Amino acid sequence: HVQLVQSGAEVKKPGASVKVSCKASGYTFSNFGFSWVRQAPGQGLEWMGWISGYSGDTKYAPKFQDRITLTTDTSASTAYMDMRSLKSDDTAVYYCARDGRKWYGWVDPWGPGTLVTVSS
Amino acid sequence: EIVLTQSPATLSVSPGERATLSCRTSQSVYNDLVWFQQKPGQAPRLLIYDTSKRATGIPARFSGSGSETDFTLTITGLEPEDVAVYYCQHRSNWPPGLTFGGGTKVDIK
Repeated sequence: HVQLVQSGAEVKKPGASVKVSCKASGYTFSNFGFSWVRQAPGQGLEWMGWISGYSGDTKYAPKFQDRITLTTDTSASTAYMDMRSLKSDDTAVYYCARDGRKWYGWVDPWGPGTLVTVSS
Repeated sequence: EIVLTQSPATLSVSPGERATLSCRTSQSVYNDLVWFQQKPGQAPRLLIYDTSKRATGIPARFSGSGSETDFTLTITGLEPEDVAVYYCQHRSNWPPGLTFGGGTKVDIK
């Protein structure tokens, strides 16, 4: 069955970078893409960006355009979200979720989430 | 940018009763509306896509309806395991993005 396994929790200092991984299994990696969504403590869901597992095409939310980079490693069936210049309000659970190969369709399933804590 | 407004913020329903959740969009989204369920401490789970199509494995007590700017998620016969926050979501082509509503928390009365 389709499964997404994310890397473990991270604690970072302000100004640092973090790279979260999302390993997929149970389906053909290049037939789908990934969206990344974050959720601050007690808050709602915030979309960050999308990457195609087929073409590597990306779309980013304007808020994150300058601070994140989404990549994939097809040979490892893994997607990555790299965020720079972390601030305390970047403390959140970061989810990867399977999305369309093109910018179409619905997001399902979601990974379990990776807690990133930014604190001095 | 399209804004999704969910109401009510919190809904208390007795077991076996009906829960009706609303999602209104600031512009027509035709039928491109999705619902997720998020239980405490868990990742969101897809419930409904294209306004009214149940995702695989979703019980029949969950149903979606609506069009254009006004959408509803109905839980007919609330079960204790339905306690969760429910989010609606729309995919925009321009500017590209997934937009989420603020969520409705459903609990047991």
